[in-house]
Amino acid sequence: RKEVEQDPGPFNVPEGATVAFNCTYSNSASQSFFWYRQDCRKEPKLLMSVYSSGNEDGRFTAQLNRASQYISLLIRDSKLSDSATYLCVVTSGYNNNDMRFGAGTRLTVKP
Amino acid sequence: NAGVTQTPKFQVLKTGQSMTLQCAQDMNHNSMYWYRQDPGMGLRLIYYSASEGTTDKGEVPNGYNVSRLNKREFSLRLESAAPSQTSVYFCASTSLHEQYFGPGTRLTVT
Repeated sequence: RKEVEQDPGPFNVPEGATVAFNCTYSNSASQSFFWYRQDCRKEPKLLMSVYSSGNEDGRFTAQLNRASQYISLLIRDSKLSDSATYLCVVTSGYNNNDMRFGAGTRLTVKP
Repeated sequence: NAGVTQTPKFQVLKTGQSMTLQCAQDMNHNSMYWYRQDPGMGLRLIYYSASEGTTDKGEVPNGYNVSRLNKREFSLRLESAAPSQTSVYFCASTSLHEQYFGPGTRLTVT
């Protein structure tokens, strides 16, 4: 079983739609949680951190459920520019050096 | 300020050849990492260096060696390349919890 699991998609949605991704992790000692975005053939870039209280950044909302060991990302009012692969990242270990990445969920937003 | 740079961008090797992937960061970060990314697998940590002079194995270290030459540079060496090492390799450095990635090296081993 992978440590971090995501639905690979693809999710194909029209502009303006709301779309949600989930990610589950197996290590209950995990400490920090993130969503990264990766465009085709590019490097990953941090989208947002995920806190237990939930956090919002514009059209993006992230939630963490430690009891069930999953994190989620909600994108409202999807834009064409949101098309990318979204990577779930979970850290553990000394100084959070052990970062585990999910395989990613691909999103395509269509006009 | 270039961030994280990697060379080369592309490389084709024959089985058994050796090569070194170079990585440098100009953000004065202590921690640096090497990952490989394969289809359907996500990024997997090969080695990391928490500070200058230290290196530690990650999830998939076999077949690789690393050198943390100084605070800026962290290189990855393949001593005897194998087709299973065909992948995209990313170097990263960390500030607090954010990882900054280089543009990647696409390596093909035939």
